Amino acid sequence: ETGVTQSPTHLIKTRGQQVTLRCSSQSGHNTVSWYQQALGQGPQFIFQYYREEENGRGNFPPRFSGLQFPNYSSELNVNALELDDSALYLCASSSHASGSNEQFFGPGTRLTVL
Amino acid sequence: GEDVEQSLFLSVREGDSSVINCTYTDSSSTYLYWYKQEPGAGLQLLTYIFSNMDMKQDQRLTVLLNKKDKHLSLRIADTQTGDSAIYFCAESRREYGNKLVFGAGTILRVKS
Repeated sequence: ETGVTQSPTHLIKTRGQQVTLRCSSQSGHNTVSWYQQALGQGPQFIFQYYREEENGRGNFPPRFSGLQFPNYSSELNVNALELDDSALYLCASSSHASGSNEQFFGPGTRLTVL
Repeated sequence: GEDVEQSLFLSVREGDSSVINCTYTDSSSTYLYWYKQEPGAGLQLLTYIFSNMDMKQDQRLTVLLNKKDKHLSLRIADTQTGDSAIYFCAESRREYGNKLVFGAGTILRVKS
């Protein structure tokens, strides 16, 4: 059973650029959630994808968008990058059928915006 | 509010017990979780508890839940240096797609 994987591990961008982060869910999981973790803080929910559709969204602007593919993998896209977007981006996979909503996290992508 | 609150720092000696505390806000949360994060890594799910339980034990870990006070604690018995990490409690909110709401984390330092 493979765990959650994310790519790339690190990324450096400049303000105004766009970025795409990728996540492969754990085997058997059909739901992917994305979180932003700023330095010294807990993760903040960005959105969740289930059946290739957004299934809930946190307090993030529309320039944060995502996709889920038929194999349940997912992308997070951020347009018009701002300095405050610098953070660790975490992807978590889960099974929609799981009543306990256990979410298993990948190692994250560290994004630095200069 | 949406805040889940945790104390920021805990220091213990190797072999002692550690108790990390958390208060949450949503009385309708059905599950509460403890995650561990080591430097530069993602989050590792340690354990979780269903809201109609008072206690859950899993090897060295004991979770206590006081639903009336919305208070959750994680006790680590026989704490080891490898337990040094940041510990996050989180509650599951059914709105917004079963999102997890996290506290800011408690840094646990284990002195040998």
